[in-house]
Amino acid sequence: AQTVTQSQPEMSVQEAETVTLSCTYDTSESNYYLFWYKQPPSRQMILVIRQEAYKQQNATENRFSVNFQKAAKSFSLKISDSQLGDTAMYFCAFTSISNFGNEKLTFGTGTRLTIIP
Amino acid sequence: GAVVSQHPSRVICKSGTSVKIECRSLDFQATTMFWYRQFPKKSLMLMATSNEGSKATYEQGVEKDKFLINHASLTLSTLTVTSAHPEDSSFYICSARPRLLLAKNIQYFGAGTRLSVL
Repeated sequence: AQTVTQSQPEMSVQEAETVTLSCTYDTSESNYYLFWYKQPPSRQMILVIRQEAYKQQNATENRFSVNFQKAAKSFSLKISDSQLGDTAMYFCAFTSISNFGNEKLTFGTGTRLTIIP
Repeated sequence: GAVVSQHPSRVICKSGTSVKIECRSLDFQATTMFWYRQFPKKSLMLMATSNEGSKATYEQGVEKDKFLINHASLTLSTLTVTSAHPEDSSFYICSARPRLLLAKNIQYFGAGTRLSVL
């Protein structure tokens, strides 16, 4: 079974600064997907970024980037030039790969990020 | 694109009644939908996986007869909480995986339903 660990329950950072959220996972599979989802106060889950394990290049989406270390099973999220709208709960998630499309997402416990004006 | 509509957003019901929650993919077909439960300040717990045209697969510890799931079409799945009790009060979230994006394993989420059982 896969597990996802987020060791930082809460973080806060000043607006415009850079913050890194940590995530580690455990799996015996060699190919899989990793995600960061954001859940703002509205409770709507929003996909932030996605990484395919077979790709060595770290995924980036505008101000969001990841540091994917496959050997260390680490998948951290870096938010640059943080904005007030980044205040949210951030969940790291893992899913395996198959052809059936019913793979589950395994979520970490989340990191509550607060951007301070 | 990739919008998932969940209705209602909030429901208050009396103990012993049943409540139906709908999850619709508005602009894509979803062969697979997922139902989660989220307690305050906690992570999402998968309750069941719903495949169009077949029976749902429930996670260990989730009562099938309590939480009825129907996935009647490629755009609609419903979760019915039967004979609801106060301990069923929670935030329920659905997600859908687009059929055409099957290989990318991306799930799109509804906005959730807050259920309060009195």
